[in-house]
Amino acid sequence: EAGVAQSPRYKIIEKRQSVAFWCNPISGHATLYWYQQILGQGPKLLIQFQNNGVVDDSQLPKDRFSAERLKGVDSTLKIQPAKLEDSAVYLCASSLVLAGGPGDTQYFGPGTRLTVL
Amino acid sequence: LAKTTQPISMDSYEGQEVNITCSHNNIATNDYITWYQQFPSQGPRFIIQGYKTKVTNEVASLFIPADRKSSTLSLPRVSLSDTAVYYCLVGRDGGSTLGRLYFGRGTQLTVWP
Repeated sequence: EAGVAQSPRYKIIEKRQSVAFWCNPISGHATLYWYQQILGQGPKLLIQFQNNGVVDDSQLPKDRFSAERLKGVDSTLKIQPAKLEDSAVYLCASSLVLAGGPGDTQYFGPGTRLTVL
Repeated sequence: LAKTTQPISMDSYEGQEVNITCSHNNIATNDYITWYQQFPSQGPRFIIQGYKTKVTNEVASLFIPADRKSSTLSLPRVSLSDTAVYYCLVGRDGGSTLGRLYFGRGTQLTVWP
């Protein structure tokens, strides 16, 4: 079974520039998550999709971050403009069911390491 | 908000059993307890999930007492490759049906030869 795919793996940009990350979840997984992981901390949920609808984006900094999941499959996360504090690993995960309940195993991609200079 | 508390770090030697305890005093009735493992430069990986009593799979065991206010992840006979960060998660945010998970800082387990 193919895992969660993410690209690019690494990205270096200057502050105030824009950047986009792409995620392809496991086939058939209805739920897709984007997390931000700052060095030394656990992943922090940014946004959660169920099919192509947003079910939780309460922790997404909407003034600069946006995400979409067209056709309920692939997803993109964009930052515009980037700030120094956005330097982190951005993880995409998918699951068959909503997180927290029985059988909610989330499968994570390798992440994109973003460095903002 | 069902947040968790776990030790920041633990050390062990190869071949020993490791027990990592997680406190979740505000766990809700419909919350499940899930543990993930994360190696450097990788995304977290599901280890085990449980609701009450004991759950065992090929990788670990999860012990949950009757009051469910804590849980213990048990790793039998650890090896160097078990060196990783282990996260304890509890399933719901204040009883909401939305499954937001809080990873916290996790426990850095270091296994020595």
